[in-house]
Amino acid sequence: AQTVTQSQPEMSVQEAETVTLSCTYDTSENNYYLFWYKQPPSRQMILVIRQEAYKQQNATENRFSVNFQKAAKSFSLKISDSQLGDTAMYFCAFRTGANNLFFGTGTRLTVIP
Amino acid sequence: EAGVAQSPRYKIIEKRQSVAFWCNPISGHATLYWYQQILGQGPKLLIQFQNNGVVDDSQLPKDRFSAERLKGVDSTLKIQPAKLEDSAVYLCASSLGTGGKTQYFGPGTRLLVL
Repeated sequence: AQTVTQSQPEMSVQEAETVTLSCTYDTSENNYYLFWYKQPPSRQMILVIRQEAYKQQNATENRFSVNFQKAAKSFSLKISDSQLGDTAMYFCAFRTGANNLFFGTGTRLTVIP
Repeated sequence: EAGVAQSPRYKIIEKRQSVAFWCNPISGHATLYWYQQILGQGPKLLIQFQNNGVVDDSQLPKDRFSAERLKGVDSTLKIQPAKLEDSAVYLCASSLGTGGKTQYFGPGTRLLVL
């Protein structure tokens, strides 16, 4: 069974600081894809970053980067230079082949001015 | 490029009533998904279409939920009759294909069943 675990229900960070959100997953598959989605209060789910399991290099997108540890089945998201607009729910998600996305329960991030 | 469109944005109904949601995916996206997101949880897939065929509806409560994508573009999701526990946000997403293709989400429809 595919599972995604986000162990931090809520986190906060000072504006301009760095924060790391944790995610672990469980799968017996070797080829899969990992995603971080952001869901602000408007409810629109927005893709932040994605990682293919076969790629050893960690994905980066501007201020967002991941630490992908395949052996540990860990996929954390680092947000650098946090901005007020980063305040949102962050969901880690996982997908194999044609299967649907499995989401974690989310981490509510608050950026404090 | 226009994103995934959904309507209505909000709906309030009484239990045992019926309700329908509409989704228009990103142009050219063959795969369409309906998710249910209960407050405090991550989205859960209800049904996945590839063009106008159903790929996965294993999590769809078929006694009350139905969905169609007749021409392989727009889709509707219907609940009849609604129960209190159906109160949730219903998200539509689309992707170019399956596998690792990124899913793009619409703004969602917030349903409240009284």
